[in-house]
Amino acid sequence: EAQVTQNPRYLITVTGKKLTVTCSQNMNHEYMSWYRQDPGLGLRQIYYSMNVEVTDKGDVPEGYKVSRKEKRNFPLILESPSPNQTSLYFCASSPYRESYEQYFGPGTRLTVT
Amino acid sequence: EDQVTQSPEALRLQEGESSSLNCSYTVSGLRGLFWYRQDPGKGPEFLFTLYSAGEEKEKERLKATLTKKESFLHITAPKPEDSATYLCAVQMNTGFQKLVFGTGTRLLVSP
Repeated sequence: EAQVTQNPRYLITVTGKKLTVTCSQNMNHEYMSWYRQDPGLGLRQIYYSMNVEVTDKGDVPEGYKVSRKEKRNFPLILESPSPNQTSLYFCASSPYRESYEQYFGPGTRLTVT
Repeated sequence: EDQVTQSPEALRLQEGESSSLNCSYTVSGLRGLFWYRQDPGKGPEFLFTLYSAGEEKEKERLKATLTKKESFLHITAPKPEDSATYLCAVQMNTGFQKLVFGTGTRLLVSP
């Protein structure tokens, strides 16, 4: 089954404790992206990657890191999480073409206390 | 500033009561407009892409249309299973890897 998977689905952590949210897709898509979704603000892009070893900042990259060492994986790293990073996070992937019909993962709900 | 605004924020319909959701946008140059459906606790699911004014796309009870400044998602004779949040997103001519999302319309269809 073609899908985007994320782990963990739920995470409660404390301020400053480094964490990684994994994202993997089995569709051989070139493009991958991370979003956060907050009430009243909608989905905002954090980082995106056009292909292996090619990443760039989205609208809200502060406090996050990403890497793209393999085509299928695009982990999101929070080096020192803070309470304002409490949010619902989505990973998405898309084949590289002019229009980006993105396929989203199930989401990771992160709470930073 | 590129902006996408959806209205209404929430809409409650009776089963069979047709209506429309609105997505208005102000962007420097539109490459594509997307509609997604999001169920509670799940990621957005792709519905439609529209590229140019006058274009229409249909899927079951949903029809999406596009003008130069806005898009409508028409829901004909909705059923309770159509209840979800509907998201609109635009892709600009510059930086086509970026999608700008609206905040969505929460639709509830009662039996």
